[in-house]
Amino acid sequence: NAGVTQTPKFRILKIGQSMTLQCTQDMNHNYMYWYRQDPGMGLKLIYYSVGAGITDKGEVPNGYNVSRSTTEDFPLRLELAAPSQTSVYFCASLRRTNANTGELFFGEGSRLTVL
Amino acid sequence: AQSVAQPEDQVNVAEGNPLTVKCTYSVSGNPYLFWYVQYPNRGLQFLLKYITGDNLVKGSYGFEAEFNKSQTSFHLKKPSALVSDSALYFCAVRDSKAAGNKLTFGGGTRVLVKP
Repeated sequence: NAGVTQTPKFRILKIGQSMTLQCTQDMNHNYMYWYRQDPGMGLKLIYYSVGAGITDKGEVPNGYNVSRSTTEDFPLRLELAAPSQTSVYFCASLRRTNANTGELFFGEGSRLTVL
Repeated sequence: AQSVAQPEDQVNVAEGNPLTVKCTYSVSGNPYLFWYVQYPNRGLQFLLKYITGDNLVKGSYGFEAEFNKSQTSFHLKKPSALVSDSALYFCAVRDSKAAGNKLTFGGGTRVLVKP
């Protein structure tokens, strides 16, 4: 099992550029999440999805967009990149039957730098 | 609203000594509490959880945590630390009343175990 796979692992963007961070899970999990991790700030939830076709905002959604056309994929779109979006991004998933356990499975992260 | 605090940015301990990482939380309903560990350049890995029942929960790699409702705390402990336990540790909480199974993470505590 590959688990949760994120691509790319590293990316440098110029201010104003756009890009998509890809996230795929092969565990047939219903719930998927995007977090960003900034030093000393823990993880902040950007967007989440409870199933295909359903997405919702987290704590820090501004400047981002998501879609969930399939159970497996949950891409995160950055439009008009800004230096404040320099961060490490983590995708995570959770199976509905474990809903109360909150046992998230994380990808290895995507480090994004906006210059 | 749900929140979690980790009051120590870093904990230093000698190998073989007991390790404690502190966590306090705030929720309006019942808390579901979790600890995750992050090794360098990796995603977060689940360590243990408290959902209900016994206040002392045991997890992976010899870690345990004690739930204290009156003090709203969920401290992580290990009786005898190893150098390989050096990592970043995150406490997380979910309010039993929260929709979407969204976890709120603390800012993280870096553990350094010295030989």
